[in-house]
Formats: sequence, structure tokens, C-alpha cells
Amino acid sequence: AQKVTQAQTEISVVEKEDVTLDCVYETRDTTYYLFWYKQPPSGELVFLIRRNSFDEQNEISGRYSWNFQKSTSSFNFTITASQVVDSAVYFCALSAPNTGNQFYFGTGTSLTVIP
Amino acid sequence: EPEVTQTPSHQVTQMGQEVILRCVPISNHLYFYWYRQILGQKVEFLVSFYNNEISEKSEIFDDQFSVERPDGSNFTLKIRSTKLEDSAMYFCASSEAGGDRGENEQYFGPGTRLTVT
Repeated sequence: AQKVTQAQTEISVVEKEDVTLDCVYETRDTTYYLFWYKQPPSGELVFLIRRNSFDEQNEISGRYSWNFQKSTSSFNFTITASQVVDSAVYFCALSAPNTGNQFYFGTGTSLTVIP
Repeated sequence: EPEVTQTPSHQVTQMGQEVILRCVPISNHLYFYWYRQILGQKVEFLVSFYNNEISEKSEIFDDQFSVERPDGSNFTLKIRSTKLEDSAMYFCASSEAGGDRGENEQYFGPGTRLTVT
């Protein structure tokens, strides 16, 4: 069975601080995909990143970076120099061909960036 | 940039009524999905659809739910007799291909907020 755990329910940081959102996943599949989505107060889901299980290379995109470690089944997301516009709920998700490519979402981490 | 659209943005209905939520996936996408998010909770998979039939469904997707692609562009979710607990945000998503081809990025629509009173 697939499972995604986001242990941090809510995080508050002061603007310009760095923040890391944790994601731990469980799967027995060797081929799988990991995702991060942002859900701002308006409610839509905004795609941030996809990683496949064969690519452990970390990625940086502007102020965002992702650390994928298969050894610990983690796919953590760091925002550097946080801004008020980063305030949102962030979801980590997993999908795998063996389970029909449906997304298994974590429970989300609500990030509040205080000006 | 192509996007998934959903209508209406907000639907209010009385318990026991039928509702149809509409989605227009990205035009060259072949895989379609519905997800549900009860307020303050995680996003949950309902159903996936490919080649004009359901490919996967969750235990949430019971006989009260059905999906249809009535024409070449729309993808609908019908709830036959709504219950209070159906109140949620419903997201439609589409992808160009399935995960076995590595192109599994699902694009989500903005959601329809369903309120059952």
C-alpha cells in the first residue's frame, strides 16, 4: 500500500527565514513518482515538482529546493528566504503505475509566513 | 498555457438531489481523474478514467457516483443522491499519459466547492 506522511501540521516562520517541509513515503514499488503541490487560500492545487524513483538528484528552482533520499524514504521541500506569498498548504503526493497512477496525498502542511 | 477548467466554482444543493460537476481537461490529455478534499483534510482519490472507461476507483466512489465523458471535451462527475458528507471540494485532473510512460504529471483544475444542505 502507498502512504505519504507529512508530520508537520502547521508551521509559522518570520519572513526571510528558511523553512523545510518534511515528507516521508511508504511504497513497495520500485517505480514511483513523488510530487509537491501548493494550495493557496484560493483553493487550487498548484504543481511544484515531480520526481521519479530513479532520479535522486536534488533540485533547486529559485528559492525552492527538494531533497530526495531513498535511503530514508523522504522527499523534503525547503523554501529559502520565505515570503508572505509562500503562505499556503503544501501537499506531498505519491503515485505508482502498480496502483493505477492515482495520487496518494499526505495530510498537508499549513505554512504561515509572518511579515 | 493550457489548463483544466471546472464548472461551477461553487454548487449548493439540498440533500438527496443529484449534482453534476463538470470538467474540461487539457485537450491532448488521455487520462482523467476526480479527487475530493473535505474541508481541512487531505486530497483523496475518487476515480480515474481512460479510453472511455473507469480504470481505477477508490472505496469512496460507491454506486452514488458515476463519471462520463459525454463528448470529446467534457468529463463529468455525477452524484445521484447527495448526502451531507459529500460536501467537499472536488478536483478534476488530467494527464497526457500514464505513469508507466513516465509522463505522469497531473494537472489539476481549480476545483468545485460542493455544499450539501
